[in-house]
Amino acid sequence: ETGVTQTPRHLVMGMTNKKSLKCEQHLGHNAMYWYKQSAKKPLELMFVYNFKEQTENNSVPSRFSPECPNSSHLFLHLHTLQPEDSALYLCASSQEVAGELFFGEGSRLTVL
Amino acid sequence: QQPVQSPQAVILREGEDAVINCSSSKALYSVHWYRQKHGEAPVFLMILLKGGEQKGHEKISASFNEKKQQSSLYLTASQLSYSGTYFCGTVMDSSYKLIFGSGTRLLVRP
Repeated sequence: ETGVTQTPRHLVMGMTNKKSLKCEQHLGHNAMYWYKQSAKKPLELMFVYNFKEQTENNSVPSRFSPECPNSSHLFLHLHTLQPEDSALYLCASSQEVAGELFFGEGSRLTVL
Repeated sequence: QQPVQSPQAVILREGEDAVINCSSSKALYSVHWYRQKHGEAPVFLMILLKGGEQKGHEKISASFNEKKQQSSLYLTASQLSYSGTYFCGTVMDSSYKLIFGSGTRLLVRP
C-alpha cells in the first residue's frame, strides 16, 4: 500500500470507446504524474501536475486528456485510442516536483 | 535526454555483488533509483543530488559523479529479494522532468 490508488486495475476498450482512468493519493502530496509503461518504452513520462496546474505535457497525443481537479485526484481521459496505446498506465505523486515518487499499482489498458 | 543504463541484464548467485550504471549527456540536477518487481509498482530506493553524493540503504548504495553526469548503484552480498528491474531516473538542471532509463533486469539465484 503506497498511498496511491488507481482504478480500474484492468480495462479493455475498443478504438471508438471513451473511458477514464482515475488516480487518488492520500499522502498530501502536491505533484502528480502519469507514466506509460510498455515493453518498448519503459516508464515514459506523459504529464506532470503541480498544485493542480499542468507543468508538463511530454508530447502526448491529444487522444489522451488529463484532468486534475484537486491535488489529490488525477484522471486520464481516453478516446479513439490505437492498439499501440495498450500498456500499463502508472500514476505517481510526490511532495514536490521531481521528488521521491510514490507509484500506484497501475491500470492495465488493452485497446482492441 | 533519456539516461542510458548498463548492463541491460545481470544474473547473480546469492551473495555476489553487482554494479548498475546510469549516464546522461546533459547536466543533471539529481538522479533517482527505483526497483520494480514483476507485477508490482516501482519502489523508490534513493535520490542523489548534484554536488557529488554517495548514499547507502542497507546493502544497496549509490554514487553520483556530477562532472561525468554518471551514477552507479552498488548491490553488495545480493539477496534473493533483490531480484527485479532497476530504473535510474534523471532530472536535468533546466527541467523538473524525471526521465527514466530503460532499466536493468537483475536476477539473483540461490
